[in-house]
Amino acid sequence: QVHLQESGPGLVRPSQTLSLTCTVSGGSISDGGYYWSWIRQSPGKGLEWIGHIYYTGRTFYNPSLSSRLTMSLDTSKNQFSLKVTSVTATDTAVYYCARGGTDYDFSIDPWGQGTLVTVAS
Amino acid sequence: IVLTQSPNFKSVTPKEKVTITCRASQGIGSSLHWYQQKPGQSPKLLIKYASQSFSGVPSRFSGSGSGTDFTLTINSLEAEDAATYYCLQSSTSPFTFGPGTKVDIK
Repeated sequence: QVHLQESGPGLVRPSQTLSLTCTVSGGSISDGGYYWSWIRQSPGKGLEWIGHIYYTGRTFYNPSLSSRLTMSLDTSKNQFSLKVTSVTATDTAVYYCARGGTDYDFSIDPWGQGTLVTVAS
Repeated sequence: IVLTQSPNFKSVTPKEKVTITCRASQGIGSSLHWYQQKPGQSPKLLIKYASQSFSGVPSRFSGSGSGTDFTLTINSLEAEDAATYYCLQSSTSPFTFGPGTKVDIK
């Protein structure tokens, strides 16, 4: 079965770039027509869908964040990544990567365990 | 699309039946999914497309609804069902989540 694991710095300075990587095991990110998603959860805003990247590399971003987002795939490492530029304290959250479904089934499952990212100086 | 859930919190006794509702600000067909999240864990899919039980989920969990009004029902609640439950709509991008319903065991 597919398993996802987030990795990246737990502390990012304000105005810097948040960079996270999701390593997928038990399946290939380039097979099967799946979307690969990023979601975050903060006490103030609950669960927020950040966006997803199709196995072809096409990206779909939440408009509320899109000007600061970049998602990419690294098929050689079976990983996908998230970058958020110009972070502020409001970007502090637990960040989850997840398999985002297909063109026929957009239910998001499974999810990684999540990684806490704190934006502070 | 904004999702609202009710109630925000519910305290129940074991074996009680629990009903959680999720309302969408506009019609979303059946593109509504339910998740369970326990403290310190990531959300787990329970029900997809309003009423389809996800593999491995106990049969006491069921979902119904379409359009703007949806319901998650937990029949004969067990202690392990203490969690926060979220709905997610995938009809229109950006996908959005409801604010959650916390279920506590008395």
